Amino acid sequence: DTAVSQTPKYLVTQMGNDKSIKCEQNLGHDTMYWYKQDSKKFLKIMFSYNNKELIINETVPNRFSPKSPDKAHLNLHINSLELGDSAVYFCASSLQGALGANVLTFGAGSRLTVL
Amino acid sequence: GEDVEQSLFLSVREGDSSVINCTYTDSSSTYLYWYKQEPGAGLQLLTYIFSNMDMKQDQRLTVLLNKKDKHLSLRIADTQTGDSAIYFCAENVRGNQFYFGTGTSLTVIP
Repeated sequence: DTAVSQTPKYLVTQMGNDKSIKCEQNLGHDTMYWYKQDSKKFLKIMFSYNNKELIINETVPNRFSPKSPDKAHLNLHINSLELGDSAVYFCASSLQGALGANVLTFGAGSRLTVL
Repeated sequence: GEDVEQSLFLSVREGDSSVINCTYTDSSSTYLYWYKQEPGAGLQLLTYIFSNMDMKQDQRLTVLLNKKDKHLSLRIADTQTGDSAIYFCAENVRGNQFYFGTGTSLTVIP
């Protein structure tokens, strides 16, 4: 019954590899996000999708490609991994246009370590 | 927008009050939030305040908003060891655009 679930929780891989992180939400939300949290715990938006459409695309290398097959899923594919990609990646979702506050619900995070 | 600032660290004794401060940047932010992150976990919403309010109380939590100075604070009364975590403030500038603070790591000393 997890609201926002992401897999895998841990990912260790070599530089140059390609990897994917998957995210699913069962809250009926129409907007999903990817955030990156670095080793200093700074949290930065990467992408946001609303009803499968990309609406936020911050300055992120084009090695990162989000894909939203439907509004309940937002996956993140990373090509040619670099050491600097090591971080915790958080998926989140929210309901656009809800009365009151637009609240983000976060997944538990996926810790990516690039060796 | 992007330069939402917080002090990085705070230590308090168990039973004392904790006050975590945040300075945000966009005066058009409609809502301001406080999130808690425990080790190895995602961010969990604690509380939020609408920008036309200056105070909100929710059990041990009190949020104060000074819109003129763009200053937000979170007071935790009777701080417990389980409150040890990183606390993030966030502003919702428009629609889906959220900016998070740098996070304050709260350590509660027994």
